[in-house]
Amino acid sequence: GDSVTQMEGPVTLSEEAFLTINCTYTATGYPSLFWYVQYPGEGLQLLLKATKADDKGSNKGFEATYRKETTSFHLEKGSVQVSDSAVYFCALSSGTYKYIFGTGTRLKVLA
Amino acid sequence: NAGVTQTPKFRVLKTGQSMTLLCAQDMNHEYMYWYRQDPGMGLRLIHYSVGEGTTAKGEVPDGYNVSRLKKQNFLLGLESAAPSQTSVYFCASSYYGGNNEQFFGPGTRLTVL
Repeated sequence: GDSVTQMEGPVTLSEEAFLTINCTYTATGYPSLFWYVQYPGEGLQLLLKATKADDKGSNKGFEATYRKETTSFHLEKGSVQVSDSAVYFCALSSGTYKYIFGTGTRLKVLA
Repeated sequence: NAGVTQTPKFRVLKTGQSMTLLCAQDMNHEYMYWYRQDPGMGLRLIHYSVGEGTTAKGEVPDGYNVSRLKKQNFLLGLESAAPSQTSVYFCASSYYGGNNEQFFGPGTRLTVL
């Protein structure tokens, strides 16, 4: 069945450091891919998405490119801020009701 | 717009007690979902609904029931709570499935003693 694997955390970075959170997927067909962010005490909110191969999703300085050949959707940001501290979830949807979420990666950014 | 709201925010139950979690959305979304979030396991789908009057089982439905009598509301019931149901519960909605973004509520933290 479909699945999402993302790197385990926590990831601890200094402010202005470069961020990469790895995400790979297994799916039949052509899924849509998402990154969601969860701030402490809140629900998940969409950060960015890509719906087909080679698409790049971007928002708030974060980027991720849908790579079909490597089945990956890695999240990157060039310069993280303390306010980026949160849990990040990679997810896929294969065009029906179902969304598959990764286990989440906690990011902590130190001033 | 309030988006997706959930009540209550916190609840403590004793084993065997029952309760209902309420989810409401004001975005006229067709699809609604209930997830549970446990440490190290991400989000797991409990039940979902693709429209008013419909419900279906997700990945971990045992011990839960749901109802969608009105399009804007999705109720999750625990008939006889067990400690294994201690978790954070999230409701979500989307216009349809597939490519569409899911909108999440703030969550309900449930502890079963």
